[in-house]
Amino acid sequence: KQEVTQIPAALSVPEGENLVLNCSFTDSAIYNLQWFRQDPGKGLTSLLLIQSSQREQTSGRLNASLDKSSGRSTLYIAASQPGDSATYLCAGLYNTDKLIFGTGTRLQVFP
Amino acid sequence: DVKVTQSSRYLVKRTGEKVFLECVQDMDHENMFWYRQDPGLGLRLIYFSYDVKMKEKGDIPEGYSVSREKKERFSLILESASTNQTSMYLCASTPITAGVSSSTDTQYFGPGTRLTVL
Repeated sequence: KQEVTQIPAALSVPEGENLVLNCSFTDSAIYNLQWFRQDPGKGLTSLLLIQSSQREQTSGRLNASLDKSSGRSTLYIAASQPGDSATYLCAGLYNTDKLIFGTGTRLQVFP
Repeated sequence: DVKVTQSSRYLVKRTGEKVFLECVQDMDHENMFWYRQDPGLGLRLIYFSYDVKMKEKGDIPEGYSVSREKKERFSLILESASTNQTSMYLCASTPITAGVSSSTDTQYFGPGTRLTVL
């Protein structure tokens, strides 16, 4: 069964800290691995998409890596800001065209 | 920019009522999806559709049905709402074409509908 797990479930850090969010998946036959951001009571916004042939993607202060052999992806956030506070979800796309989501990491960055 | 809209942000219904949740996307995407999101369970796929009048069951279709009469619109129907269907419902669309999985396309989500069934 294809499963995606995110640890930790919640994280609270002071502003300016660099941090890493973790995502693991049981089936390495993914087409891509995606990271989303969700603000409270809102929909999901795509942050980064890493194709199965890629190792990482970067957008501004965000860097996502993918290691298919170990079934892991990480989202690195540099110099965190209070505006980064949100829930971050990772999801793996498989050949069924369906995304399998993790349960998310709720991040709070305090001033 | 891709825009996915959902008919209601908040909805309160009574047990046994028939409920319609509407989703519209403006980018001519072939695929559309309905998820529900519950604390500790994450997003779970209810139904998806590859094209007009086509539908596929997701992981938790029981108690739900869908309708896709036009390409841009995908409706989720609760035939007889129950309290365990209280949840956040999210619609998404993607240009991935059925049978030809692209590894470069993400799903675009609507703002969600918070449904409460009393």
